[in-house]
Amino acid sequence: EIVLTQSPGTLSLSPGERAILSCRASQSLSSSYLAWYQQKPGQAPRVLIYGASSRATGIPDRFSGSGSGTDFTLTISRLEPEDSAVYYCQKYGSSPLFIFGPGTKVDIK
Amino acid sequence: EVQLVESGGGLGQPGGSLRLSCAASGFTSGFTFSRYSMNWVRQAPGKGLEWVSYISSSTSTIYYADSVKGRFTISRDNAKNSLYLQMNSLRADDTAVYYCARAWPVKDTAMDLYYYYMDVWGEGTTVTVS
Repeated sequence: EIVLTQSPGTLSLSPGERAILSCRASQSLSSSYLAWYQQKPGQAPRVLIYGASSRATGIPDRFSGSGSGTDFTLTISRLEPEDSAVYYCQKYGSSPLFIFGPGTKVDIK
Repeated sequence: EVQLVESGGGLGQPGGSLRLSCAASGFTSGFTFSRYSMNWVRQAPGKGLEWVSYISSSTSTIYYADSVKGRFTISRDNAKNSLYLQMNSLRADDTAVYYCARAWPVKDTAMDLYYYYMDVWGEGTTVTVS
């Protein structure tokens, strides 16, 4: 079973700074099968990126995804206060069908 | 606007049963429930997301996480635009917020098959096993 590891666990940055979140898979993934979600406290998750680098509908262009193989990155280019949330990577594929990473918490100072 | 609304959560006893429902709406925006695969995803208090189960549009394909296999049953009624999760033999570690989520298909042209991500989520229903 593939395991997803996210780092750092928590990221504390100021508005306007750039956030770089990492997702590492224990085995090589097809890039198409990696997605990123944002979850704010008390809310359901929201998809940001699918196919490793495609922005979902309505997602601001300050969010971008990249990577291949076992290493994937979510970059938030200019942090805004409303970006404070937990970010999860997720892979789609063989059993289990979906796996989520443990999440990275982004705090905006 | 596509909407998913979960219900049926509450307090369940260890070894007991609960049935969750997820009602879909948004037909004016072209959301035809019967055309899409659906998922249940849960989140234990203070923890991360855990995928629970998947059902295809026609119900021909169903998957479960190992943690619920043999205890939970996913089903759907396309005529009622509804998704269900029958939860039996409940355990304390089933305590979580349960979300239903639509599986949006994307064509992987290189492999000539589809992959999925979860594009629409409900607000969740809370299950407490105690």
